[in-house]
Amino acid sequence: GAGVSQSPSNKVTEKGKDVELRCDPISGHTALYWYRQRLGQGLEFLIYFQGNSAPDKSGLPSDRFSAERTGESVSTLTIQRTQQEDSAVYLCASSLSQVAYGYTFGSGTRLTVV
Amino acid sequence: KNEVEQSPQNLTAQEGEFITINCSYSVGISALHWLQQHPGGGIVSLFMLSSGKKKHGRLIATINIQEKHSSLHITASHPRDSAVYICAVRVGNQFYFGTGTSLTVIP
Repeated sequence: GAGVSQSPSNKVTEKGKDVELRCDPISGHTALYWYRQRLGQGLEFLIYFQGNSAPDKSGLPSDRFSAERTGESVSTLTIQRTQQEDSAVYLCASSLSQVAYGYTFGSGTRLTVV
Repeated sequence: KNEVEQSPQNLTAQEGEFITINCSYSVGISALHWLQQHPGGGIVSLFMLSSGKKKHGRLIATINIQEKHSSLHITASHPRDSAVYICAVRVGNQFYFGTGTSLTVIP
């Protein structure tokens, strides 16, 4: 597609359930990023993929969070045993490469944990 | 202390005014980004800088690596420029964000 696509756009889940968020980057973009924005707060970096590899996972808030990317394309962010503090908009962005190009952001997944 | 500080936090301007938003950072960076977030939440990447100055339309971004400071300027501001402007820096594989500057341009 022409832009970065994220699904679902909205997700309401019960506390303790697992959720999976999906990001389809722009075709050919090797760099992919996940961010989180809690209500009323700034952006928070979660993880970055170069190709299918994530060189640094230290931005993930806890071991309940994991992410993977396959085929240098789709990425999934999985949150296990969701907690209310996980409620946020999860944003994905992609770039031709990490070094020289700007980002294109998806429209985000609004996650609400009840 | 936040690695990235923005000022002002809030800014109201009359249409046509020249606007400056400042960003200071305390870490060694690989690149600095200016992002624009509209009220609906969508984010657009405006600039990526590692040195000097970039211009796109009415937007100008500058960076001074020695002083660890960047500015975003908007010339001839317009109500459609109303948004939150976020400064972000990349340090290795990590990113740090400013808390944003909320800009309102009044017709």
